[in-house]
Amino acid sequence: EAGVTQFPSHSVIEKGQTVTLRCDPISGHDNLYWYRRVMGKEIKFLLHFVKESKQDESGMPNNRFLAERTGGTYSTLKVQPAELEDSGVYFCASSPASGGYNEQFFGPGTRLTVL
Amino acid sequence: GNSVTQMEGPVTLSEEAFLTINCTYTATGYPSLFWYVQYPGEGLQLLLKATKADDKGSNKGFEATYRKETTSFHLEKGSVQVSDSAVYFCALKLSGGYNKLIFGAGTRLAVHP
Repeated sequence: EAGVTQFPSHSVIEKGQTVTLRCDPISGHDNLYWYRRVMGKEIKFLLHFVKESKQDESGMPNNRFLAERTGGTYSTLKVQPAELEDSGVYFCASSPASGGYNEQFFGPGTRLTVL
Repeated sequence: GNSVTQMEGPVTLSEEAFLTINCTYTATGYPSLFWYVQYPGEGLQLLLKATKADDKGSNKGFEATYRKETTSFHLEKGSVQVSDSAVYFCALKLSGGYNKLIFGAGTRLAVHP
């Protein structure tokens, strides 16, 4: 069974440009999460989808970030316009339908560099 | 607020040495605690977990005990191998239906032959 995949693995853009990150969760997983790690610091939660609905978006830093999950399958995270402080590694994770704790399975991350 | 604090790395050890990576937390209620590991070029993998006080999680020779009195969840391994070189993250999940994980900053471990 394929794991969580993320695309691209690396992205280098200039300040003010737009970047879209994609996450494909494990097939059948209703829960999808975005996290990011900035400058070697702690990994921080961004948001949580249940199917196509945003369950918790309390970690989204500002309105330059837009996450979507059309059809409840893959998700995209768009940063527009990108700023220098957005550089970091963006992780996606997925887990099965809720009912007690289900392990979150992480993708390899997308390393974003904003110049 | 809720947070996780880990010892700073990098931690450099020789093969077969004893490993301890300290982790303490601040959280309301009764969180679940986790250690995740990230090997080079890969995503985070769940290494072990403990869901209540005094529980011991263990996997691949690693152990951690949920100590509520000291709010700690230190990771230990009796004899590390070169293949254990990775970044280790301590994390918590709050009780009460919250699914998000709260992570520490990670500790890089380098094991040399």
